[in-house]
Order: sequence, then structure tokens, then C-alpha cells
Amino acid sequence: EAQVTQNPRYLITVTGKKLTVTCSQNMNHEYMSWYRQDPGLGLRQIYYSMNVEVTDKGDVPEGYKVSRKEKRNFPLILESPSPNQTSLYFCASSLSTPWREQYFGPGTRLTVT
Amino acid sequence: GENVEQHPSTLSVQEGDSAVIKCTYSDSASNYFPWYKQELGKRPQLIIDIRSNVGEKKDQRIAVTLNKTAKHFSLHITETQPEDSAVYFCAASSPNTGFQKLVFGTGTRLLVSP
Repeated sequence: EAQVTQNPRYLITVTGKKLTVTCSQNMNHEYMSWYRQDPGLGLRQIYYSMNVEVTDKGDVPEGYKVSRKEKRNFPLILESPSPNQTSLYFCASSLSTPWREQYFGPGTRLTVT
Repeated sequence: GENVEQHPSTLSVQEGDSAVIKCTYSDSASNYFPWYKQELGKRPQLIIDIRSNVGEKKDQRIAVTLNKTAKHFSLHITETQPEDSAVYFCAASSPNTGFQKLVFGTGTRLLVSP
């Protein structure tokens, strides 16, 4: 079954404690992206990747890091989380540009206290 | 960079009525316009998309129209059903804003009453 998976699905953490949210896809997609969703703001792109070792900033990259060492995985790293990073995070992958047939993961709800 | 505005923020219709959601974009180079549906507690799912070389696209009860001159595009849902109730997001992608970044509108909550 074609899918995008994320872990964990729910996470409560404290300010400053480094965390990683994993994302994996089994569709051999080259393009992957991370979004955050906040009420009234829609979905905002954090980082995206066009292929292994190729990443670029989206609209809200501050406070986040990503890596793409393998085609299937695209982890999101928060090295020093802050309360304003409390949000619902989605990973997504796409067959091709410009983001056609984009599939989203189930989401990770992060709370930073 | 690209900016996408979406209206209305909420839309209530009776079952069987039509619903129209409108989006405007700022970057004239934008060339891809998808629409996503997000049911409560679920992930966004692509429902229809259109490229800049096409003016209209239909898929059963849903259609998208694009006016490049005015820089706006719309989602049309006919014969609405309660299961159409969800939040709908438009988005635009432009090659000018880095490598095909995708910018979303703020969403429209559609409520279809039986």
C-alpha cells in the first residue's frame, strides 16, 4: 500500500529538548516536504527536498532542520523547541514537480511547554 | 513571494446546493493550482488540480476554473452532500519563488446541512 508515515503521532515536550519527527514514504517519490498547520493560517511549508541531499527552505524554516540522506526518509529536527512551534505537522511526498499528486502523512501533533 | 488569499473562510449550504470557493494569487508566474480537502482530524487529500495552460477542469461534481489574467481560481462543487463537509484549501506553485514552493490559502470550512 502506497503511504507516507510519520512518527510519533503525538508528542508533548519541554522547551529546549531536541526532538526529531520521522517521515518515510514507500512510493519512490523524489519530492518531499514538511508543513505546519495552525488555526487560521492554513498549511505553511517549512522545508522541502527535491532529491537525496537536496533541500531548500519553505516559508517558515526558522527553528527547524531537515536532512535527506535516503530517498524514502525526510526527518524534521527541532534542535531547541519553543512554545511557538506547538502545531500540527504534516510530511508529504510527491511524484514530480510542481507538487503533483502530493500525498500527506497522518500528521504529528506537537505540544511544546 | 507568492501570496494566496482564499474566500470565504466559512460557507454553509443546504444539501443539493452548489458551493463556490475562490482564491487569488499574486505571482503571475504561478503555474499549478491544486485543491485539497481535509476532513476533521484527517490529513489533506488532493481532490483536483489545474495547470496554467488549462482554463477549466471537471471531475464529476467538482470543477476548478482558472482566470490567469485576473489571477484567480475557483472550486465549484455541485449537488453538495453532507460528506462534502470539510475544510478546503487552495494552493499555488510558482517557479519564481525558489524551486516550486507551494503556498496554501488559509482554508474554507464548508458545512453542508441535510
